[in-house]
Amino acid sequence: GESVGLHLPTLSVQEGDNSIINCAYSNSASDYFIWYKQESGKGPQFIIDIRSNMDKRQGQRVTVLLNKTVKHLSLQIAATQPGDSAVYFCAEISSYGKLTFGQGTILTVHP
Amino acid sequence: GAVVSQHPSRVICKSGTSVKIECRSLDFQATTMFWYRQFPKKSLMLMATSNEGSKATYEQGVEKDKFLINHASLTLSTLTVTSAHPEDSSFYICSAARDYEQYFGPGTRLTVT
Repeated sequence: GESVGLHLPTLSVQEGDNSIINCAYSNSASDYFIWYKQESGKGPQFIIDIRSNMDKRQGQRVTVLLNKTVKHLSLQIAATQPGDSAVYFCAEISSYGKLTFGQGTILTVHP
Repeated sequence: GAVVSQHPSRVICKSGTSVKIECRSLDFQATTMFWYRQFPKKSLMLMATSNEGSKATYEQGVEKDKFLINHASLTLSTLTVTSAHPEDSSFYICSAARDYEQYFGPGTRLTVT
């Protein structure tokens, strides 16, 4: 079946470094993707989204890249801070508005 | 804007009892809400789509008689876990849809003893 998955389950970085979190998707018909941040014991928090007609979108300290050729998404966090420590999920939205979440990557930022 | 609340935030119940979880959109109306379940260190899995004024749509493998969903108003959906068992212990998260986006609640930690 269709699925969204992540390459790396855990990522540890030093404070101030840049972080890159990757995600592979398999539904080539998906046209909208979202990255979420989830802190322990809380619901997912929207970070940034991208539509399939774009290959890059920037926010505050975050950039999402979309490579439709290889069905790959990445989230780049610049100057990572301890407060960025969380689980990061990519998700795709179907035409019916249904969200399918990827596996998740645990990001740990060391001071 | 787009705040979603859940109540309770955590609940402990005895095996065999039923537990109701509320999901409210506080500052917008949501004709569609979603219920997810999340096990420790796992991703969110969609359980059902809750539509105001109509029956919920359940994902494959989710027992509709065990997880009762009611969406009686544009700001409230409830999930009732009936005859709860320890394997139902999990983190339950709802979301409310506005336009093309979903806004998530803070989650409810259910522990069945």
